[in-house]
Amino acid sequence: DQQVKQNSPSLSVQEGRISILNCDYTNSMFDYFLWYKKYPAEGPTFLISISSIKDKNEDGRFTVFLNKSAKHLSLHIVPSQPGDSAVYFCAAPANAGGTSYGKLTFGQGTILTVHP
Amino acid sequence: DADVTQTPRNRITKTGKRIMLECSQTKGHDRMYWYRQDPGLGLRLIYYSFDVKDINKGEISDGYSVSRQAQAKFSLSLESAIPNQTALYFCATSVSDRADTDTQYFGPGTRLTVL
Repeated sequence: DQQVKQNSPSLSVQEGRISILNCDYTNSMFDYFLWYKKYPAEGPTFLISISSIKDKNEDGRFTVFLNKSAKHLSLHIVPSQPGDSAVYFCAAPANAGGTSYGKLTFGQGTILTVHP
Repeated sequence: DADVTQTPRNRITKTGKRIMLECSQTKGHDRMYWYRQDPGLGLRLIYYSFDVKDINKGEISDGYSVSRQAQAKFSLSLESAIPNQTALYFCATSVSDRADTDTQYFGPGTRLTVL
């Protein structure tokens, strides 16, 4: 059962515009969410995170929004740049609400392409 | 130098062969993980280890085994490879036992093809 879902396999945007990547989750016990970015031939790298006690976290061009009632989070990239073209994964701790953190459950990923 | 290294980077093997993928890290982290990535399925956890004497199964451990030889080394073995184990494999490390600081650091991946 996929507890973290990214239903859009791909997204294409123009340079300078906003990119919005979406993620839905089913486990209301998740208390922390992370976004990872992956370039071809490289491992994923941590991008930004958000605690469930917040509804927004911003880091430069990247902002993550959390809507707990809808069990939905989104990553906004403004303005988008060609170098942002990558696969983006959302993730949450696998043992939600428990004490054994460290394991992450990932969404399927969304391929973002930013055109010059 | 990379903090998390994986060898080999690419491997083609035949059904029934034994394969070992190796991971080394210089970050000094206690926690290490093995994931596989398949198209449309994201990253799925195979095994994880919270210290040298601690090994745990992830969500898809069948057909795999691991060995934590030292804090810095965590190997994944396929005892008898089968074609549906063709995937991209990632090793990762982390230091914390708190979700809000538990960023994982990934190696570059090993692309494994089983014919």
